[in-house]
Amino acid sequence: DAKTTQPPSMDCAEGRAANLPCNHSTISGNEYVYWYRQIHSQGPQYIIHGLKNNETNEMASLIITEDRKSSTLILPHATLRDTAVYYCIVRVLGTGNQFYFGTGTSLTVIP
Amino acid sequence: GAVVSQHPSRVICKSGTSVKIECRSLDFQATTMFWYRQFPKKSLMLMATSNEGSKATYEQGVEKDKFLINHASLTLSTLTVTSAHPEDSSFYICSARGSGLTYNEQFFGPGTRLTVL
Repeated sequence: DAKTTQPPSMDCAEGRAANLPCNHSTISGNEYVYWYRQIHSQGPQYIIHGLKNNETNEMASLIITEDRKSSTLILPHATLRDTAVYYCIVRVLGTGNQFYFGTGTSLTVIP
Repeated sequence: GAVVSQHPSRVICKSGTSVKIECRSLDFQATTMFWYRQFPKKSLMLMATSNEGSKATYEQGVEKDKFLINHASLTLSTLTVTSAHPEDSSFYICSARGSGLTYNEQFFGPGTRLTVL
């Protein structure tokens, strides 16, 4: 079962930073936070993941609170192609690697 | 990067027929593949976990006799929807667990849209 809570939808102006929150208050010490996104009628695309340190890659930054009960995905300069549903997932590595998707956040980037 | 393909991308069939969907890992060997179903405007729901050479593990509420999964090789898993009915119409997505440095990653296919008339 999904263990995350996300707002159902968000808007962001093109060129501005998109900050997508995720609550995972029951996260265990060995669970990682993963972010995927799904553009309409396509398969999910990996964005980033982390355990407790903040992470950054070419797509986004992941900020995890010190208590690990919540995190924020940051798209630094949103473009129209970033319009998608963003899923925050918590999972333990190496246990069959199942991903249980929550309801996600539908991000709309506005011109 | 690791690529997962699905075939067909779209399929329309008559009620009562069976449909087979293929999932292939193109540039890596996948000992574990996963099958998801997604209804319109809903999230992905895990249906089953498929391990090469062994029986699939189905999630609670998923009928194993209706959704037959075969994972006969390290690069191919198939999902067969038997005696399909209109309520089986959905977007079916597979994913494959990576190997080596990407062992803890999952790479998703583009999905197959099934429409049962």
